[in-house]
Amino acid sequence: QQPVQSPQAVILREGEDAVINCSSSKALYSVHWYRQKHGEAPVFLMILLKGGEQKGHEKISASFNEKKQQSSLYLTASQLSYSGTYFCGTLGANTGTASKLTFGTGTRLQVTL
Amino acid sequence: NAGVTQTPKFRVLKTGQSMTLLCAQDMNHEYMYWYRQDPGMGLRLIHYSVGEGTTAKGEVPDGYNVSRLKKQNFLLGLESAAPSQTSVYFCASSAGGEQYFGPGTRLTVT
Repeated sequence: QQPVQSPQAVILREGEDAVINCSSSKALYSVHWYRQKHGEAPVFLMILLKGGEQKGHEKISASFNEKKQQSSLYLTASQLSYSGTYFCGTLGANTGTASKLTFGTGTRLQVTL
Repeated sequence: NAGVTQTPKFRVLKTGQSMTLLCAQDMNHEYMYWYRQDPGMGLRLIHYSVGEGTTAKGEVPDGYNVSRLKKQNFLLGLESAAPSQTSVYFCASSAGGEQYFGPGTRLTVT
């Protein structure tokens, strides 16, 4: 089952903040976040492992609550370059060693002037 | 390093035709994956491989076959193409964490 992402789409003015959520119905070992610009391949942002960790990447950070089986991606002081579709990919707790991700349906983010 | 490359970039097939998509990676990764991406559906795993000579089914394997005869290459075959297989196909490779994606192949089946 695909994780559920919310919101499906968001429009921001440059400098505003946004939060993208990813929720799974199964126990998770890790959550990956990727960004895909129109017509391009997805690009890795970060991995969060179980343990409630929070990581950062430039002005983009994320948290992972394994008990709630949820992860959130935080974009602060958004820039035009942040526009794109954001996907979470989840790795189940019993997936084994294949690193086989299940991706959400994506959140389309558009940053305007 | 080229990373992950895919050929061809675009292809148009008629229903019932067959074709093979080639994925190559030069990062010595053990894991390789084939995904399809359709509007509103995100990325769905077709088949994957955990090493040379191994393959396994993903979420949507029907109508596709794969082979991994060499560690660096992962082939995706469509034996008898159907309009429902019109999609963008991405290959990815991984050492067990971050996945590196190829540029994609846009396939249209008429």
